[in-house]
Amino acid sequence: EPEVTQTPSHQVTQMGQEVILRCVPISNHLYFYWYRQILGQKVEFLVSFYNNEISEKSEIFDDQFSVERPDGSNFTLKIRSTKLEDSAMYFCASSLRDRNTEAFFGQGTRLTVV
Amino acid sequence: ILNVEQSPQSLHVQEGDSTNFTCSFPSSNFYALHWYRWETAKSPEALFVMTLNGDEKKKGRISATLNTKEGYSYLYIKGSQPEDSATYLCAFASGGSYIPTFGRGTSLIVHP
Repeated sequence: EPEVTQTPSHQVTQMGQEVILRCVPISNHLYFYWYRQILGQKVEFLVSFYNNEISEKSEIFDDQFSVERPDGSNFTLKIRSTKLEDSAMYFCASSLRDRNTEAFFGQGTRLTVV
Repeated sequence: ILNVEQSPQSLHVQEGDSTNFTCSFPSSNFYALHWYRWETAKSPEALFVMTLNGDEKKKGRISATLNTKEGYSYLYIKGSQPEDSATYLCAFASGGSYIPTFGRGTSLIVHP
């Protein structure tokens, strides 16, 4: 069964360093998303991506964040200068269409900023 | 900011019990309501996407209903099994946004 894969599963980084979280969405899906969940809090939307551009982003997704689909298969989230409060589980998801179709999630990358 | 509330926050039941929990969302500008099941150390798995008022969907022992006019959805599990233990998330999508907003989830633990 097709699935969304994320790497790495766990990333530890020092405050101020750049990190890139990688995702391979399901191949025929058109919409891609990043969500995060800070420990003990709800799942929060970061950004959606369609047709090679950002279609929507939340207030969390500030200038420190960027997304790319460099080669038609990978979908990356870059955090330029990590802060302690960026520590969270980051989930990538993809869907065939948008808000009325189910999203398929990856298993997440746990980012720990020290 | 869209307010999506789930209750209860956590629930402990015995194997064989039937259970239900609630997702509340804004009743205006409804587009879709999603239910996901999230087991520890796994990724959220889609259960249902509901778009029509009065919709009822079923997958095995799990079913869901939708009332868009009053802004709630119920998820029912009949004859709970230990393998049903998970966090159940709902997510609401409005007409103004492509993106579903998630509730905090209901954590279900089924004791053998």
